[in-house]
Amino acid sequence: GAVVSQHPSWVICKSGTSVKIECRSLDFQATTMFWYRQFPKQSLMLMATSNEGSKATYEQGVEKDKFLINHASLTLSTLTVTSAHPEDSSFYICSAGLAGGIALNEQFFGPGTRLTVL
Amino acid sequence: GDSVTQMEGPVTLSEEAFLTINCTYTATGYPSLFWYVQYPGEGLQLLLKATKADDKGSNKGFEATYRKETTSFHLEKGSVQVSDSAVYFCALTPKAAGNKLTFGGGTRVLVKP
Repeated sequence: GAVVSQHPSWVICKSGTSVKIECRSLDFQATTMFWYRQFPKQSLMLMATSNEGSKATYEQGVEKDKFLINHASLTLSTLTVTSAHPEDSSFYICSAGLAGGIALNEQFFGPGTRLTVL
Repeated sequence: GDSVTQMEGPVTLSEEAFLTINCTYTATGYPSLFWYVQYPGEGLQLLLKATKADDKGSNKGFEATYRKETTSFHLEKGSVQVSDSAVYFCALTPKAAGNKLTFGGGTRVLVKP
């Protein structure tokens, strides 16, 4: 149980285009989803926290107009990188938090999406 | 604010060697502590966790004990295998932070046959 999927697993796009990444909790409901960015050989940097049915909360320094997050249901959150540029190339990872229960503080991570902007 | 500090890698070991990865944290109250593992090209997987002082998390031969007095959560494994080669992340979340995780910098472990 507690499986999180991401789609696509990798994407290559041209500079100036937009890319949408999906994050789904497959067998549980996630009231909260998180989006992280990971540069090569570095740790995860939290970009934003997404709660179902409300606006995402962005971390300091993350452009909300650049990285659009939508959490339309309890099983789906999307991250859209708008007008992508080469510096947006990175590994994007989502995670989902269980809604209550004994695993209140546990997150389940997706496999990640590697974005390369040419 | 909260922070997690873990030893820098890479750590290179021979198969069957003993592995220790140090992790210390700074947080208010009593956070939950986690170790995550990331295999090449993949997302993070929860390795083990502990939610209160003196708890010991264990999984796949790995262990870590929540030490409140030293604010530490060191990861250990008695006999590593080549398949344990990965990046290991220590992390914490305050109980009231809505699952928000703070990660350490990660430690790359390479096990040679």
